[in-house]
Amino acid sequence: DVKVTQSSRYLVKRTGEKVFLECVQDMDHENMFWYRQDPGLGLRLIYFSYDVKMKEKGDIPEGYSVSREKKERFSLILESASTNQTSMYLCASSPLAGAPQRGYNEQFFGPGTRLTVL
Amino acid sequence: DAKTTQPTSMDCAEGRAANLPCNHSTISGNEYVYWYRQIHSQGPQYIIHGLKNNETNEMASLIITEDRKSSTLILPHATLRDTAVYYCIVSPRRGGSNYKLTFGKGTLLTVNP
Repeated sequence: DVKVTQSSRYLVKRTGEKVFLECVQDMDHENMFWYRQDPGLGLRLIYFSYDVKMKEKGDIPEGYSVSREKKERFSLILESASTNQTSMYLCASSPLAGAPQRGYNEQFFGPGTRLTVL
Repeated sequence: DAKTTQPTSMDCAEGRAANLPCNHSTISGNEYVYWYRQIHSQGPQYIIHGLKNNETNEMASLIITEDRKSSTLILPHATLRDTAVYYCIVSPRRGGSNYKLTFGKGTLLTVNP
């Protein structure tokens, strides 16, 4: 089974701190994604990466950056955390060549990190 | 990506079929319909997908109208563990930079004992 792990389930930080959220997948997937989830807004894509050192902005990249130095690891960075970044953060991965029986586009999600910025 | 419209919430009795509708009136010819669900405190999970034919797997059935403007996800015998938020997503078959899945707000399905 694909396993996507995130470094913390719960995290509390202070305004202005630099925050790193780490995601690791063990299935050699090329694509990795960071989403945030807020009540009433659903999941929104922050950034994604389709290869090592490659990244593309998602729908809400402002205030975030990412790093992908190794294929299995995708980090989300909050350079200066703010209270409006309090949210659930979800990481996902998918293979370059998705399985046809799964629609070629199945994403595998981690359990999420609930970040609170005080 | 084409947008989808789903009811905010639905209830279903345990053991009965749950029918979750989705409207995607602007879907284009190369776009698939995907369904994911998110159980509380977990990440979303793939359920099923389809292009234009009805599909069935071990989890659910997917009925897509002939004009492809709407679809229905069917859980034939809902259990309490099926209580979750269900997302209907339309997205092109993977290729190029079309890796993204745009999740909307989904439908909260509550299965009652």
